[in-house]
Amino acid sequence: EDQVTQSPEALRLQEGESSSLNCSYTVSGLRGLFWYRQDPGKGPEFLFTLYSAGEEKEKERLKATLTKKESFLHITAPKPEDSATYLCAAYNNAGNMLTFGGGTRLMVKP
Amino acid sequence: DAGVTQSPTHLIKTRGQHVTLRCSPISGHKSVSWYQQVLGQGPQFIFQYYEKEERGRGNFPDRFSARQFPNYSSELNVNALLLGDSALYLCASSRGQGSYGYTFGSGTRLTVV
Repeated sequence: EDQVTQSPEALRLQEGESSSLNCSYTVSGLRGLFWYRQDPGKGPEFLFTLYSAGEEKEKERLKATLTKKESFLHITAPKPEDSATYLCAAYNNAGNMLTFGGGTRLMVKP
Repeated sequence: DAGVTQSPTHLIKTRGQHVTLRCSPISGHKSVSWYQQVLGQGPQFIFQYYEKEERGRGNFPDRFSARQFPNYSSELNVNALLLGDSALYLCASSRGQGSYGYTFGSGTRLTVV
């Protein structure tokens, strides 16, 4: 059974304090690793898809990386507007579902 | 272009009742998936439909059912509601089965009392 685990569950940062979020996965035949941002009461908003180990993608203050067992979401010099829950999800060979982790709730204080 | 549209946005039901949630995918998207997100947890896969056929089902009881219409919109039905069914129900659309590009709607917040 596919499993995705995120850590930490919650993270409090001061504005400008860089950090990383972790996503560990056990998936039979990974076809893609997704990162989403979710604001309270809203649906997940797509950030990145990573397809193979060693791949990196960047968007503003966010950078996602992928290894054979983990993915990291690095946040550089975060701002209060980066406060949200960050979800990672794995897409396997069956191709019909995303398996999500529990999410990391990020709070950035000014 | 309009995104994924879900209705209603909020709903309060009593235990034992039935509920129907609706989803309209992005134009050109033929696949619709449903997810349940309990407060504080990640979304859990319920169903995927593609070309009006069920292509995947998660670990949910038979009280949960869904269908997809010729215009690719979809309904999720839940019978005999339990308190534990209270959650945010998310619909995601993609171009086809096996397509990577999932776009989520804002969800329907269901509260069972």
